[in-house]
Amino acid sequence: LAKTTQPISMDSYEGQEVNITCSHNNIATNDYITWYQQFPSQGPRFIIQGYKTKVTNEVASLFIPADRKSSTLSLPRVSLSDTAVYYCLVGDLESPDMGRRALTFGSGTRLQVQP
Amino acid sequence: DSGVTQTPKHLITATGQRVTLRCSPRSGDLSVYWYQQSLDQGLQFLIQYYNGEERAKGNILERFSAQQFPDLHSELNLSSLELGDSALYFCASSVEIAGRRGEQFFGPGTRLTVL
Repeated sequence: LAKTTQPISMDSYEGQEVNITCSHNNIATNDYITWYQQFPSQGPRFIIQGYKTKVTNEVASLFIPADRKSSTLSLPRVSLSDTAVYYCLVGDLESPDMGRRALTFGSGTRLQVQP
Repeated sequence: DSGVTQTPKHLITATGQRVTLRCSPRSGDLSVYWYQQSLDQGLQFLIQYYNGEERAKGNILERFSAQQFPDLHSELNLSSLELGDSALYFCASSVEIAGRRGEQFFGPGTRLTVL
């Protein structure tokens, strides 16, 4: 299984850029990297997904180096409302049992944004 | 609003009892996933169904079972309940395009309290 490692927690201030790195040393060729955000007592929400290089959407960027053994979620100019837990998932989205790897949320990174 | 609905929102029951949690996926989504989240813990993947068939199995106890019906709604049955089964239970759904699983959309969860 492609095990992921993330920092347990991070602190930031409003307006700063936050980078959360996820290590996935044994990522497989067909694996994609997906990030989710979760607020207390709510279900996770999809943020971004990528396979290689850089992906950007309206809320975040995802940087994936050439060896794909890690990935970095970048949140530009965070606000208090970005305080949440962020999960990195790695898995083969085309496999019938994509399966437990891409569905293993782990403990995530708890981001606390201060005013 | 993710489009995924779960009922009931809250459930309080006693040890040894049996309960059924219900999930309706987003319109058009064939995959349904069930997760358990205990207090201050990460999401634990339980089981996935695709168009009525079991696709992937996680750390689901033998006392738990699930099924997906022809109308694509799913039910998670929890029996012989123990205090440790108290948790938030999330359902998620996703679409599959050309064999590749899309992002998961999570429901609001069912909070189960076992007394």
